Amino acid sequence: GEDVEQSLFLSVREGDSSVINCTYTDSSSTYLYWYKQEPGAGLQLLTYIFSNMDMKQDQRLTVLLNKKDKHLSLRIADTQTGDSAIYFCAETFGGSYIPTFGRGTSLIVHP
Amino acid sequence: KAGVTQTPRYLIKTRGQQVTLSCSPISGHRSVSWYQQTPGQGLQFLFEYFSETQRNKGNFPGRFSGRQFSNSRSEMNVSTLELGDSALYLCASSLALGGNEQFFGPGTRLTVL
Repeated sequence: GEDVEQSLFLSVREGDSSVINCTYTDSSSTYLYWYKQEPGAGLQLLTYIFSNMDMKQDQRLTVLLNKKDKHLSLRIADTQTGDSAIYFCAETFGGSYIPTFGRGTSLIVHP
Repeated sequence: KAGVTQTPRYLIKTRGQQVTLSCSPISGHRSVSWYQQTPGQGLQFLFEYFSETQRNKGNFPGRFSGRQFSNSRSEMNVSTLELGDSALYLCASSLALGGNEQFFGPGTRLTVL
């Protein structure tokens, strides 16, 4: 079955770059997503990438997709304390558009 | 444009009771999906509604049900509550069925005692 794996925690210093990693198992992935969840809030869609793309950049966010290794990453440049949150990777695959989510990576940004 | 709203934000129930949660999508959005978020299972898809019809359903027991009204507002109902139903229930709306951009509400935190 499908599976999306993420590391649970990442701690970075303010101003550094953060890289959050995700691996997935289904080779028929169509779209891959990154969501952000702040305490007490729902999920906010940050960006998504179609499976035939390798990279997508949006301001401080860079998404890299390695289809061969089934690896997705989210790079946040110049990380700020406001970036502290849980980041979820998700994929849709096959003919389904219902996303499968990873468990989330808790990003802690310290001064 | 107002975002997705969910009511109530917090709810405490006891085992065996039933509960109804409400979701109002973004104006113009016709698809509403529901998710359950727990520390143990993560985010799991419950069901999706479009044009007042359930279009997709996740792997949950029949105690979990929902409906959608003509104005696209949606409700989900959980009957005979169990302790394991304690979770954050998230609603998401999108313009159309299968829309890539889902917008999530803040969720309803349900605690079952």
